[in-house]
Order: sequence, then structure tokens, then C-alpha cells
Amino acid sequence: AQSVTQLGSHVSVSEGALVLLRCNYSSSVPPYLFWYVQYPNQGLQLLLKYTSAATLVKGINGFEAEFKKSETSFHLTKPSAHMSDAAEYFCAVSEVNAGNMLTFGGGTRLMVKP
Amino acid sequence: DGGITQSPKYLFRKEGQNVTLSCEQNLNHDAMYWYRQDPGQGLRLIYYSQIVNDFQKGDIAEGYSVSREKKESFPLTVTSAQKNPTAFYLCASSIRTGGGQPQHFGDGTRLSIL
Repeated sequence: AQSVTQLGSHVSVSEGALVLLRCNYSSSVPPYLFWYVQYPNQGLQLLLKYTSAATLVKGINGFEAEFKKSETSFHLTKPSAHMSDAAEYFCAVSEVNAGNMLTFGGGTRLMVKP
Repeated sequence: DGGITQSPKYLFRKEGQNVTLSCEQNLNHDAMYWYRQDPGQGLRLIYYSQIVNDFQKGDIAEGYSVSREKKESFPLTVTSAQKNPTAFYLCASSIRTGGGQPQHFGDGTRLSIL
């Protein structure tokens, strides 16, 4: 079965610093990949998705992610953190030919220090 | 605006009581999903429905029940058999076919035990 690993349940950065949130998946066939953001007591909002087009995907709020097949990774980055980026981030995968079912990673809580 | 509406936002259950969480969408999506979210555990799939009058168990269906009588609605009942119901419940929907389509989420219902 597909699995998704997000390294680091908590990540802390200073405002203005680089944000790097890690995601690795287990499928031998490149799946579809998603990053979602969740603010406290809210649902998940789609940040970006990879669907086998360009390997560097740009999303909302200045985030981007790079698909690396050789590393089975889809890490999320943002050049300069803002206080409003503090939230929980989830990586999710959907296997090809599995409809749009998602398997989620455990989430990473991003804290931004002033 | 199209979206997913979950109600109520907060819900309290007494011992031995069944409670029903509402989920309504106006996105014209065929597929709908229920997830349970516990701190540090990501999202776990409870039930999903790909089409009206059909639904399937997810990873943690015990103690829960659903119905799908209308395309727009997918209510979740937390029964008295669910011994640890305190959690944040999220409903989502998506296009059923054509992989790589994201799931769209409601704002969740937080269920607590009295």
C-alpha cells in the first residue's frame, strides 16, 4: 500500500528564512502529489499539485515543490517565511488509476518566529 | 460560491448517544469522503462514496455509518459503538474520474464527549 512520510512533525523557522518541508512517498510508479495547508480549526486548502507535467510546481502564497522521481520526494519550499505561513502542512498522494483517493502524510506544523 | 458546508462546527455527545454530522456540497462532485483527524496522526479515511446510493468503508469505519441518498449530501453518524469519538472530522469531495484531481474540504466539525 502507498505510504507518505513527512520528516519532522514540527519545523521552526525565523521570519524571512527559507521554508523546507519534506515529503517522501513509497510508490514505484510516480503518483499524483499534493500539498495542503490547514490553519487552526479549519479544513485543508490546496497549495499545489503535481500531475506529471513540469517537475517544479508553483502554488499559492509563494510556495513551490519539486518532484524528484529518483528520490521519491516532493518537498515543499518557500524562499522567505512570513508569520502568516504558520500552519500545518500535509503532503498527499493519489495513485494513478485509483480515482482521486488520497493517502496523507502525518503532517508538519510550521512555526514562524519573529 | 461553490464549496462544502459542514455543520455544526462544534458538537457534544453524551455517552450512549448517536450523533450525526452534516456535509453538503454544491460543487457537483460525484465523490465524497469523511476523514477523522487526531493530533499528530494526520487524516484517516472513515468512509467514502463514489456515487449516489453507494459507499465504501475506509480504514477506520468501525463505529461509524453513512448514507448517500443525494449527490449533494453525505452525512456521517457517529454511533455509541465508537468508544473514542473525540476528534476533528473533515468532509471532502472530488471529481470521481480522471486522476490527479484534488479533494476539496469543508471547515470541519469538532466532536467532544460530555
